[in-house]
Amino acid sequence: AQSVSQHNHHVILSEAASLELGCNYSYGGTVNLFWYVQYPGQHLQLLLKYFSGDPLVKGIKGFEAEFIKSKFSFNLRKPSVQWSDTAEYFCALRGGSNYKLTFGKGTLLTVNP
Amino acid sequence: KAGVTQTPRYLIKTRGQQVTLSCSPISGHRSVSWYQQTPGQGLQFLFEYFSETQRNKGNFPGRFSGRQFSNSRSEMNVSTLELGDSALYLCASSELGTFGNEQFFGPGTRLTVL
Repeated sequence: AQSVSQHNHHVILSEAASLELGCNYSYGGTVNLFWYVQYPGQHLQLLLKYFSGDPLVKGIKGFEAEFIKSKFSFNLRKPSVQWSDTAEYFCALRGGSNYKLTFGKGTLLTVNP
Repeated sequence: KAGVTQTPRYLIKTRGQQVTLSCSPISGHRSVSWYQQTPGQGLQFLFEYFSETQRNKGNFPGRFSGRQFSNSRSEMNVSTLELGDSALYLCASSELGTFGNEQFFGPGTRLTVL
């Protein structure tokens, strides 16, 4: 079985603060990892993805994530958040030969201007 | 290219009824997946289709079913609706459905069961 846990349910930051959202997964084999974002009133969009190779992946809008295999983690980071980053963020896993994505419960990020 | 489209966008049904939701993938995409999103359970995988074949199924009762047509369009059906089926149902498509392919999500169908 595969599972994903996101540590923070709701994070509140001020503009220009740095962001790190935690994501841990459980799966014993090869994984593909994703971060999706859902802006208010919009559908899920892919921020970034990790398949193999460089464990530090860069995505859109200045986001990056680091895959640490020994910690089963894939944390999302952004050095300086903006008000427009207010959204819900989902970490997702595809493990082994599964075709499905397993999502974490999501982290709601509120950025105050 | 047009994105993933889902119809209808909103639906209100009563307990015991059945419902059919439709998804049109991005042109050229052959894999379609369905997810249920609720505040309590988050996003949960329902099933995935590729070239009209169901390849994966999540842990949902048999009341939830789906199919895919030769043009890759997909439908999901929920029979004997229960209050707990109220949710946002999301469809996602990907080009080949292989492990590395990105899934593109539609806006969802908001189902309310009264």
